[in-house]
Amino acid sequence: GIQVEQSPPDLILQEGANSTLRCNFSDSVNNLQWFHQNPWGQLINLFYIPSGTKQNGRLSATTVATERYSLLYISSSQTTDSGVYFCAVEETGGSYIPTFGRGTSLIVHP
Amino acid sequence: DTAVSQTPKYLVTQMGNDKSIKCEQNLGHDTMYWYKQDSKKFLKIMFSYNNKELIINETVPNRFSPKSPDKAHLNLHINSLELGDSAVYFCASSQGVQRGQYFGPGTRLTVT
Repeated sequence: GIQVEQSPPDLILQEGANSTLRCNFSDSVNNLQWFHQNPWGQLINLFYIPSGTKQNGRLSATTVATERYSLLYISSSQTTDSGVYFCAVEETGGSYIPTFGRGTSLIVHP
Repeated sequence: DTAVSQTPKYLVTQMGNDKSIKCEQNLGHDTMYWYKQDSKKFLKIMFSYNNKELIINETVPNRFSPKSPDKAHLNLHINSLELGDSAVYFCASSQGVQRGQYFGPGTRLTVT
């Protein structure tokens, strides 16, 4: 099956800093999503982005499907950005089975 | 509120018992999912239903049985609970199988 690797595994930032999270995948995909799991466990869908670039406030994401990676940018980080960020992909081929990466754990200090 | 809801939020039970977790979505979505998140936060899909039809059934013990009475509900029944079943179970929904998924708050199951 498809392999999904996220980096870095852990990230500690000071409030106001910018960061880039990366998701690499081993095969072609027809679906890619970014999620944020907050410290209370709630999973929030950030982006549905199989290709191209999207922005939502301080967050933006870019997927380069031909090179098999996606990036999540967080600008002017806030303490509420803390949590785990997951990338999930669905391999091209019609299986519709989402495969999650292991996540990037982000801590933003005030 | 429009959302995906799950009940119960916490479930503590003994080995060998049978338990159910309920999920409801009022987003009008036609696809629903069950995920298991282990103690290391790894998320793995268990089942997916599209328009009440099972479309994904990953390698899950047959002690786990999903039931979708209608498009807005997907329940998970677990027989003969084992210690290894302890995890957080998330329900999710989407409109179509290749769209963004919306997750419920999770059910933390502890088997003692």
